[in-house]
Amino acid sequence: AQTVTQSQPEMSVQEAETVTLSCTYDTSESDYYLFWYKQPPSRQMILVIRQEAYKQQNATENRFSVNFQKAAKSFSLKISDSQLGDAAMYFCAHSGGTSYGKLTFGQGTILTVHP
Amino acid sequence: KAGVTQTPRYLIKTRGQQVTLSCSPISGHRSVSWYQQTPGQGLQFLFEYFSETQRNKGNFPGRFSGRQFSNSRSEMNVSTLELGDSALYLCASSAGQGNQPQHFGDGTRLSIL
Repeated sequence: AQTVTQSQPEMSVQEAETVTLSCTYDTSESDYYLFWYKQPPSRQMILVIRQEAYKQQNATENRFSVNFQKAAKSFSLKISDSQLGDAAMYFCAHSGGTSYGKLTFGQGTILTVHP
Repeated sequence: KAGVTQTPRYLIKTRGQQVTLSCSPISGHRSVSWYQQTPGQGLQFLFEYFSETQRNKGNFPGRFSGRQFSNSRSEMNVSTLELGDSALYLCASSAGQGNQPQHFGDGTRLSIL
C-alpha cells in the first residue's frame, strides 16, 4: 500500500520570500510518479509540478521546484518569490505504475502568504 | 481546450435518497477518476474508468458506483445516502496512458440532511 505524509498542517511566508513544504511517502512500487497539487478556496485542484521517480533530476516549473530524495522517500516543494496568489492548500500525491488512475494524497498543508 | 466539467456544483439530498453526479473530461482524455474529499478523511480515491471499463477501485461500499460512456463522460451514483456521504466529490481526467497527470474539475458539493 502507498502512503503519503505531510507533516506540516499549516505554513506561512512573507510575500517575495521562499517557503518549503515537506512530504514523505512510502511505496512498494519501483515505477511511480509524485505530484504537488494546489487547491485554492475556489476548490479546483491545480497541478503544480510532477516528478517521475526514475528521473534523478529535480523537476522545476518557474518559481516552483522540488527536492526529490528517492532513498529517503522525501519529496519537498520549494516556492520562490512567493506571491499572494500562492495562498492555498497544497497536496502531495503519489501514483504507482500499476495503480491506474489512482492518486494517493497526503493530508495537505495550508499555505498563508502575508503581504 | 475546455477543462473538466462537473455538474451539478451543489446538491442537497436527504438520507436514504440516491444521487447521480456527472463529469465531462477534457476532450481526448479517456480516463476519468473520482475522489471524495472530506475534512476528516481528506482525499480518497473512489474508482477510475478507462474506455468504459472500471480499471481500479478504492475502498468504498457498494453503494458507490460509476460508469463511463463511449464519449468518455462519466457518472457516479450513490444509493441509500448517509450523513457521512456529505463531501466534495472531485472528478479528474487524463489521457490514461502510463501516469499522465490528472486534471480536476471544480467538484460537486453534496450535502446530506
